[in-house]
Amino acid sequence: DSGVTQTPKHLITATGQRVTLRCSPRSGDLSVYWYQQSLDQGLQFLIQYYNGEERAKGNILERFSAQQFPDLHSELNLSSLELGDSALYFCASSGTSERGNDEQYFGPGTRLTVT
Amino acid sequence: GQNIDQPTEMTATEGAIVQINCTYQTSGFNGLFWYQQHAGEAPTFLSYNVLDGLEEKGRFSSFLSRSKGYSYLLLKELQMKDSASYLCAVRVAGSARQLTFGSGTQLTVLP
Repeated sequence: DSGVTQTPKHLITATGQRVTLRCSPRSGDLSVYWYQQSLDQGLQFLIQYYNGEERAKGNILERFSAQQFPDLHSELNLSSLELGDSALYFCASSGTSERGNDEQYFGPGTRLTVT
Repeated sequence: GQNIDQPTEMTATEGAIVQINCTYQTSGFNGLFWYQQHAGEAPTFLSYNVLDGLEEKGRFSSFLSRSKGYSYLLLKELQMKDSASYLCAVRVAGSARQLTFGSGTQLTVLP
């Protein structure tokens, strides 16, 4: 158990709909990252938040947005869903270790199926 | 941008040693990570290298050569449970700490 929680575990929805994925980081971690993993694309970085502020953006579509709240949990909003959005969505968190390597700890993921 | 290459698949026998290579091209290198991922599960951290050389952690070791843009993960005394995807990831310098992942190497351990 990494200490990162994600809800829901599974989500099945129709094209055109909007969903919200939720992530709670490990206690004390200020950084939250979102990744998308589909069969043909591997693990793709979407966006990073640090202590409530957006820090970096990756291959995130304009239909997707995220935020990090004062209690440090984060939500990823996916709208106008398409079949190609079906994937595993992972949240990861990191702090700062003594070595400065601050490895990322991944949550169990949310499996999104768009039908 | 970053480019990370690793073999797609590898097969090895239980009890053997296997080396998974990773080559990368990036601007502003600031660390290389290896993760293990079982099918349908979350990636789990294995190792981290930022300086040249070998880092050993039990049955797992990771090596880095920054001048060659090269790393490998060495798994010794293979067990069936080591069958998984192994992901190489690179972090670039800067205030953001995001990782760029390779496509992963699917390792199958045979009895």
